[in-house]
Amino acid sequence: EAQVTQNPRYLITVTGKKLTVTCSQNMNHEYMSWYRQDPGLGLRQIYYSMNVEVTDKGDVPEGYKVSRKEKRNFPLILESPSPNQTSLYFCASSLLIPGYGYTFGSGTRLTVV
Amino acid sequence: AQTVTQSQPEMSVQEAETVTLSCTYDTSESDYYLFWYKQPPSRQMILVIRQEAYKQQNATENRFSVNFQKAAKSFSLKISDSQLGDAAMYFCAYRSGHYNQGGKLIFGQGTELSVKP
Repeated sequence: EAQVTQNPRYLITVTGKKLTVTCSQNMNHEYMSWYRQDPGLGLRQIYYSMNVEVTDKGDVPEGYKVSRKEKRNFPLILESPSPNQTSLYFCASSLLIPGYGYTFGSGTRLTVV
Repeated sequence: AQTVTQSQPEMSVQEAETVTLSCTYDTSESDYYLFWYKQPPSRQMILVIRQEAYKQQNATENRFSVNFQKAAKSFSLKISDSQLGDAAMYFCAYRSGHYNQGGKLIFGQGTELSVKP
């Protein structure tokens, strides 16, 4: 089944404790992206990648890191999480064809206390 | 920069009735694509419908249709014969048609739709 696998689904952590949210896709998509969803703000892009070893900042990159060492994987790293990073996070992938829709992971609900 | 605006945070509809969700966008591009995504309580993002800007004909998918007004930069979603399973958050989204703009999907703020039995 074509899908984006994102883990974990829920995560509660403490301020400053490094964490990684994993994302993997099996559709050979070039484009991968991370979004955060907050009430009243919709989904905002954190980082994106257009291919292996090619990553760039989105609209809200502060406090996040990513890497793209393999085409299928695009982990999101929070090196020192803070409470303002409490949010719902989505990984998504797509072909680099303008009209192509995204395939989304199932989301990660992150709470930083 | 492109923006997408959904001015209705919440909407309600009676089961079997029709509801229209509004979306406006701002862009200077002529080539782009517009999407509606549905997010039920399961949180999964589900593509509902897609519209190419170069097409004058409004897209339709079963009970879902759009009213695309390019000059007015408006892209509303009409849900006919509403069902309880239509209750969800709905997001309008924009994607540039230019390769050098990357693949970024720009989202509106979302509209929470409730369906009354």
